[in-house]
Amino acid sequence: GAVVSQHPSRVICKSGTSVKIECRSLDFQATTMFWYRQFPKQSLMLMATSNEGSKATYEQGVEKDKFLINHASLTLSTLTVTSAHPEDSSFYICSAREHRPLAGGLGDTQYFGPGTRLTVL
Amino acid sequence: QQPVQSPQAVILREGEDAVINCSSSKALYSVHWYRQKHGEAPVFLMILLKGGEQKGHEKISASFNEKKQQSSLYLTASQLSYSGTYFCGTETKTSYDKVIFGPGTSLSVIP
Repeated sequence: GAVVSQHPSRVICKSGTSVKIECRSLDFQATTMFWYRQFPKQSLMLMATSNEGSKATYEQGVEKDKFLINHASLTLSTLTVTSAHPEDSSFYICSAREHRPLAGGLGDTQYFGPGTRLTVL
Repeated sequence: QQPVQSPQAVILREGEDAVINCSSSKALYSVHWYRQKHGEAPVFLMILLKGGEQKGHEKISASFNEKKQQSSLYLTASQLSYSGTYFCGTETKTSYDKVIFGPGTSLSVIP
């Protein structure tokens, strides 16, 4: 199956600093990438949808100025948590949609990265 | 809108079968099933795109009832490696191109 990588896998930072998380699709082109946040024992909550070359679409309640998303190329999207605070501590997971034109686009499989565990002190 | 999953949790002995259900209040375009082990990212199991579609991977299969707006995941002759949290993700016909995940079903397989 397709491979998605995330970097870093774990980060600990001080309150007030910014943290950048990278998401890469290694062996396929992903026109759409998604960013999720998962708190312990909870489901994955979609934060935003990132399309290459355009602005990200944020879900209701997600602050776009706090969670900056840049989809620079068909294989790379970045999430920057600005001025992080302890309540931002979470497991952040990206996924990339493998675009298969013959499948008509919708319903394409999403492949998840390994996740980044962010701890803000 | 988040799909509903049932049961919330299930404990099985090795070799037993289980069914996990996923339902939505909205018309569905697709249903995605994932398994997540503790501390790891979710792993793709299968995707169902058409009503009536059934798929299988080894002893794990799923069905999609488009009319009832629901899907079921069937685990047959469970193995210890099946333990984890199972999430269904749904893509609705009104908010396509994004997958919203259910709350998850915790499955524990014991010897």
